[in-house]
Amino acid sequence: ETGVTQTPRHLVMGMTNKKSLKCEQHLGHNAMYWYKQSAKKPLELMFVYNFKEQTENNSVPSRFSPECPNSSHLFLHLHTLQPEDSALYLCASSQDSLFTRGVYNEQFFGPGTRLTVL
Amino acid sequence: LAKTTQPISMDSYEGQEVNITCSHNNIATNDYITWYQQFPSQGPRFIIQGYKTKVTNEVASLFIPADRKSSTLSLPRVSLSDTAVYYCLVGDDYGQNFVFGPGTRLSVLP
Repeated sequence: ETGVTQTPRHLVMGMTNKKSLKCEQHLGHNAMYWYKQSAKKPLELMFVYNFKEQTENNSVPSRFSPECPNSSHLFLHLHTLQPEDSALYLCASSQDSLFTRGVYNEQFFGPGTRLTVL
Repeated sequence: LAKTTQPISMDSYEGQEVNITCSHNNIATNDYITWYQQFPSQGPRFIIQGYKTKVTNEVASLFIPADRKSSTLSLPRVSLSDTAVYYCLVGDDYGQNFVFGPGTRLSVLP
């Protein structure tokens, strides 16, 4: 138990569906992240939020839309996805952005949502 | 961005010491080196982090040579539960350029 929860744990959706992934952290952290992990590929950073403000978007297609209403919650809204978007989507949080004044802020990861797009 | 390369997989036996090396030839002055462990269907978990020389904690040791172009994660006396994927991660002081390597799949055999 890392203090970061994700729901749902598994999701199957069609290409025309709209769904949302939810992440919640109970650690009092200020930074939250979305990662994508495809089979046999490295973890890919998608979005970074720091104090509810998006600070990074790694050229993610617009069919993925993040939302961070407060420092404890992070959503990933999905619409018109493609089969190649099937992957494990991981949420993480850290006290502040990864390095603050030379101090490394460890990331804590949630268990992930296994997404399958049909 | 510093790109990392690791062996795709390694096998070991219980009780042995395992050393996993990560190459990061283009590491920048501000980059730190961090290792994560990931079990199937779980998110990665932090193991150890260092900048140079040697770092040791209750789980592992991290060896970084003077030129910092590589690093070696050392797991003493592994057990079956250490079977996982180990990621070498290199990131800079500004926190945004954190790039996960391809990972090394360690299999510990009885």
